[in-house]
Amino acid sequence: GDSVTQMEGPVTLSEEAFLTINCTYTATGYPSLFWYVQYPGEGLQLLLKATKADDKGSNKGFEATYRKETTSFHLEKGSVQVSDSAVYFCALGGSTLGRLYFGRGTQLTVWP
Amino acid sequence: KAGVTQTPRYLIKTRGQQVTLSCSPISGHRSVSWYQQTPGQGLQFLFEYFSETQRNKGNFPGRFSGRQFSNSRSEMNVSTLELGDSALYLCASSLEPGPPSGNTIYFGEGSWLTVV
Repeated sequence: GDSVTQMEGPVTLSEEAFLTINCTYTATGYPSLFWYVQYPGEGLQLLLKATKADDKGSNKGFEATYRKETTSFHLEKGSVQVSDSAVYFCALGGSTLGRLYFGRGTQLTVWP
Repeated sequence: KAGVTQTPRYLIKTRGQQVTLSCSPISGHRSVSWYQQTPGQGLQFLFEYFSETQRNKGNFPGRFSGRQFSNSRSEMNVSTLELGDSALYLCASSLEPGPPSGNTIYFGEGSWLTVV
């Protein structure tokens, strides 16, 4: 069945450091892939998405490339800021309409 | 454009009681889905509605139910509350029934339920 495996962390970085959060997936067919971010006490916000292989999603300096050959969708940012501190969720939209499959989330803390 | 709106934001209930949570989707969105978020289990899919019909359901007991109205607004109900039902309940909406078509699912702020 459809599933997502995500690096759980927590991840602690200094401001301006490089960020990578690993995400791999298992799915039948051709899923869509998403990264969502959750700030303390809030719901989920869509960060970026990719709907087919080799697509690159990007937003607010974050990027992720849909790699079908490695079934991965790793999140990267070249220079993190304190305001990026949040929980990041990798998600897959697969064979079940209307349903997302989520990873366990990665807590990111950025220190000044 | 208003986002997904959930009410109430916070509530405290006693074991054995029931609770109803409400969700207003983004205008024009016809698909509404619900998720439960807990520290132990993460984000778990409850159910999804499209045009007032439940199309998919997650692995939750029958105490969890929902419905969608003709204006796409949705409610979920949990009866005979247990301590383990304490969680953040997230509602989400999309234009069509979401992935894998590529349609994006947008989430509300959630309803924090505490069962004591």
